[in-house]
Amino acid sequence: KAGVTQTPRYLIKTRGQQVTLSCSPISGHRSVSWYQQTPGQGLQFLFEYFSETQRNKGNFPGRFSGRQFSNSRSEMNVSTLELGDSALYLCASSLIAGEVTGELFFGEGSRLTVL
Amino acid sequence: GENVEQHPSTLSVQEGDSAVIKCTYSDSASNYFPWYKQELGKGPQLIIDIRSNVGEKKDQRIAVTLNKTAKHFSLHITETQPEDSAVYFCASSPRQGGKLIFGQGTELSVKP
Repeated sequence: KAGVTQTPRYLIKTRGQQVTLSCSPISGHRSVSWYQQTPGQGLQFLFEYFSETQRNKGNFPGRFSGRQFSNSRSEMNVSTLELGDSALYLCASSLIAGEVTGELFFGEGSRLTVL
Repeated sequence: GENVEQHPSTLSVQEGDSAVIKCTYSDSASNYFPWYKQELGKGPQLIIDIRSNVGEKKDQRIAVTLNKTAKHFSLHITETQPEDSAVYFCASSPRQGGKLIFGQGTELSVKP
């Protein structure tokens, strides 16, 4: 069974540009969450999608957005990139959504460097 | 707000010794407490989890204990091996689906 697939694995952008990251969840998983990982702030929740609807959102500015498609694949977008957006962006999928939290299966992440 | 504090930030043990990592959470509504292991260049992987109706759970060399009154939970690894070396994260889930609040991580080093 294939795991969570994230693309691209590495990318370099300059300030002011925008970036789109992609996540394919484990087959059958309908919940997809995104996290930002940095050495200073650790793992921080960005947002969660279930059945193409955003169910939860973390405390990030509006420059961070996401969406989920009917096949459960998800994308996140960061516009007007800042140096502080350099991070590992992790996608996780889960069988369960709603009030019950189930095991999150993480991908290997997309490492974004902003110059 | 929601917060999880994790200690220690680094931990070095000799192979065969035990390792203990402790976390404290702030949201009394939290009911799910997973532990993740992250190896270099990889995403976090769940190693054990516990729900608030259970005080202790064990899986081979790994155990987790939960004290809801004190809002503490701990990870215990016995008979450590070099392959246990990694960064370990605790997390808690407030009453909101798939959102996890992570601790800052513990870098465990097991010396042969």
